[in-house]
Amino acid sequence: QVQLQQSGAELAKPGSSVKISCKASGYTFTSYYISWIKQTTGQGLEYIGYINTGSGGTNYNEKFKGKATLTVDKSSSTAFMQLSSLTPDDSAVYYCEGPYWGQGTLVTVSS
Amino acid sequence: DVVMTQTPPSLSVAIGQSVSISCKSSQSLVYSDGKTYLHWLLQSPGQSPKLLIYQVSNLGSGVPDRFSGTGSQKDFTLKISRVEAEDLGVYYCVQATHFPWTFGGGTKLELK
Repeated sequence: QVQLQQSGAELAKPGSSVKISCKASGYTFTSYYISWIKQTTGQGLEYIGYINTGSGGTNYNEKFKGKATLTVDKSSSTAFMQLSSLTPDDSAVYYCEGPYWGQGTLVTVSS
Repeated sequence: DVVMTQTPPSLSVAIGQSVSISCKSSQSLVYSDGKTYLHWLLQSPGQSPKLLIYQVSNLGSGVPDRFSGTGSQKDFTLKISRVEAEDLGVYYCVQATHFPWTFGGGTKLELK
């Protein structure tokens, strides 16, 4: 069946980086862009940006430029999001979205 | 960015009751292709969001016809007829007409 399977929870230290994966199955990977969304209790749902899974082209919400980097590996039907220079404000559940939403990846930033 | 204002923030309902949720945008959501990219999501407890309705009024895959969406331009409504227990959770409207997508604050549907 069609699904997006995300990597597991991350515990990271301030100033470090994490890379989350989103593996697609059950459909032609390049048929859908992959978007990434941040969810926190305080800020709700925030759109980070998307990647064109065919060309690798990206478009970022201004708020997340310099914070998030989106990439894709067509050979494994996997999209990635790297979050850099982490602060406690980056603690959130991050979702990938294509034909469906992934199950989410919890990122906790703490010393 | 487009601001999405969703009301009410919470609803307490009895099974079998019908409810409506409002979503208003700060700008028209009609895209240059004539389509309106206003969608509704449901996030059930402990789950990721699921698409309920896309482009104002089209039911997502497997979504029962108890759900319906209406509206145009800047004013949209989600209606649930005959609420069932599986409908409980948080409902979000989201606009994908203007970049970046923006989301309403959510409406939490609870059992009375």
